[in-house]
Amino acid sequence: GQQVMQIPQYQHVQEGEDFTTYCNSSTTLSNIQWYKQRPGGHPVFLIQLVKSGEVKKQKRLTFQFGEAKKNSSLHITATQTTDVGTYFCAGFSGGYNKLIFGAGTRLAVHP
Amino acid sequence: DAGVIQSPRHEVTEMGQEVTLRCKPISGHDYLFWYRQTMMRGLELLIYFNNNVPIDDSGMPEDRFSAKMPNASFSTLKIQPSEPRDSAVYFCASSLGGGAGNEQFFGPGTRLTVL
Repeated sequence: GQQVMQIPQYQHVQEGEDFTTYCNSSTTLSNIQWYKQRPGGHPVFLIQLVKSGEVKKQKRLTFQFGEAKKNSSLHITATQTTDVGTYFCAGFSGGYNKLIFGAGTRLAVHP
Repeated sequence: DAGVIQSPRHEVTEMGQEVTLRCKPISGHDYLFWYRQTMMRGLELLIYFNNNVPIDDSGMPEDRFSAKMPNASFSTLKIQPSEPRDSAVYFCASSLGGGAGNEQFFGPGTRLTVL
């Protein structure tokens, strides 16, 4: 079945350092979404990428969708303590007709 | 506007008891999803509905789990009988049209502990 792999599982950074999480799918995706879950909270939608090679920015966050539409990345520049949480990618494939979530990358930011 | 509403927020029960989790999706949303989150297995899709009809229940662990959506504003996930391995956070999410690949709005979750 469709699988979405996400690495790393955990990242510990000092405040001000950059952070990147990577997502890879076993199948070509129609779109990929990114969610953030704060500790004790629920996943909150951040963004959706649809086009091959697409790059979108939200302030210090940069999201990329691979040319083959099988991988994606989220890069945070100059992390802040407010960035703490787990970041999930979720891939959608029309063939499976549902979002498949990656395992998430838990980000810890130390001041 | 209210987001997705789930109740109860916390549930502690004993093995063998029936558990019913409730969800009210965002008004106008036509997709409703039930997820389970654990440290070991991450975020798993259990079942989803479109216009109150179950579309994919392949993620439902076993016959002890059942879900219903009697109308557009209410859904339940029932576990009978419950077991300790069912302990997890259960999220309900809803989305608006366009297929199952649209942005999903998650509720606050129900933390279930089965002793």
